[in-house]
Amino acid sequence: NAGVTQTPKFQVLKTGQSMTLQCAQDMNHNSMYWYRQDPGMGLRLIYYSASEGTTDKGEVPNGYNVSRLNKREFSLRLESAAPSQTSVYFCASSEGPYYEQYFGPGTRLTVT
Amino acid sequence: KQEVTQIPAALSVPEGENLVLNCSFTDSAIYNLQWFRQDPGKGLTSLLLIQSSQREQTSGRLNASLDKSSGRSTLYIAASQPGDSATYLCAAHSGNTPLVFGKGTRLSVIA
Repeated sequence: NAGVTQTPKFQVLKTGQSMTLQCAQDMNHNSMYWYRQDPGMGLRLIYYSASEGTTDKGEVPNGYNVSRLNKREFSLRLESAAPSQTSVYFCASSEGPYYEQYFGPGTRLTVT
Repeated sequence: KQEVTQIPAALSVPEGENLVLNCSFTDSAIYNLQWFRQDPGKGLTSLLLIQSSQREQTSGRLNASLDKSSGRSTLYIAASQPGDSATYLCAAHSGNTPLVFGKGTRLSVIA
């Protein structure tokens, strides 16, 4: 089992460009999450999907959109990237909303 | 609103020492608390999840404790090794909020 996979691993964008970060899990988990990690700020939740067909905002949702494509896949879209979105993005999944979370390897995004 | 604090931010110990990492949280009505390890440039690896009904959880040389009344959890690492060097994060589940993370303790084990 691959666990949680994320693509791409690295990305450089110019201000105003758009992109989608992909996440997939093969553990048959119901819940999936997107976090960003910044120095001095720790990990902050952007959006989550408690179950297939639902999505909810986390602590820092502005500038992002998400799609729960199916049970396995949860994507994060930046419509118009800004330098403040330079960060490391992690996807995670869990059996349910209060279960143990498992993380992917991350996507390092730089917006210039 | 739940807040999670980890002190110290960094810790350096000699190999073989037993050590304790601290985590405190403001809302004692938690469902569970999870400890993670993060190596530089990598994702988070789940170490232990301790339910609100539990006082301790053990995995190998790791032991996590939970005291809801005082809003504290500790991660005990026995006989530390250089391979234990990493950042350790704790995160709490409470109310209707998903996991809230502390900022982590960066551990260095010196050979």
